[in-house]
Amino acid sequence: AQTIHQWPVAEIKAVGSPLSLGCTIKGKSSPNLYWYWQATGGTLQQLFYSITVGQVESVVQLNLSASRPKDDQFILSTEKLLLSHSGFYLCAWSTDRYEQYFGPGTRLTVL
Amino acid sequence: GDQVEQSPSALSLHEGTDSALRCNFTTTMRSVQWFRQNSRGSLISLFYLASGTKENGRLKSAFDSKERRYSTLHIRDAQLEDSGTYFCAAGSYTGNYKYVFGAGTRLKVIA
Repeated sequence: AQTIHQWPVAEIKAVGSPLSLGCTIKGKSSPNLYWYWQATGGTLQQLFYSITVGQVESVVQLNLSASRPKDDQFILSTEKLLLSHSGFYLCAWSTDRYEQYFGPGTRLTVL
Repeated sequence: GDQVEQSPSALSLHEGTDSALRCNFTTTMRSVQWFRQNSRGSLISLFYLASGTKENGRLKSAFDSKERRYSTLHIRDAQLEDSGTYFCAAGSYTGNYKYVFGAGTRLKVIA
């Protein structure tokens, strides 16, 4: 069975500090990977997707970047956090362009 | 760009009653997936449809196969555990691996 893990579970960071969020998928080779952001009480906004190692496509950047260093790993990062980065970050995977499965999410608070 | 209009935005149901949620798409969409988000933020996949209908217990979903511009989620005999926020996500034809979420329906089931 496939499992998706996100880390950390929650972060409290200062404005201007760097950030790195991670996502790992186990039990599935060559998954398509996605990052989403959700403001408190809001909907999900797709940020990035990746269909292969080393390749990432941006949908909406929000002053964030993403990388896929390994087949099963997806990283979201920024060098300088903004207040507007606060929210809930979700990683997802799919086997093709279709059905998505989501991780448990990381809650980020920027102060 | 592609837009998803989800209705109603909020709904309160008594236990045992039925209801329907709806998503309208501003353009033809490739697929639709319905999720329920619980209080911890976890997104649980309910249905994925490329066309037609699917049923699982008290839930049933349909995706208009002709014009591919709307989808519905029916809840029969609502139970307390159905409470949560329901999202639809549409798979776009305009960009591979791109998904657009609706704003969500906040459902509260009351005894």
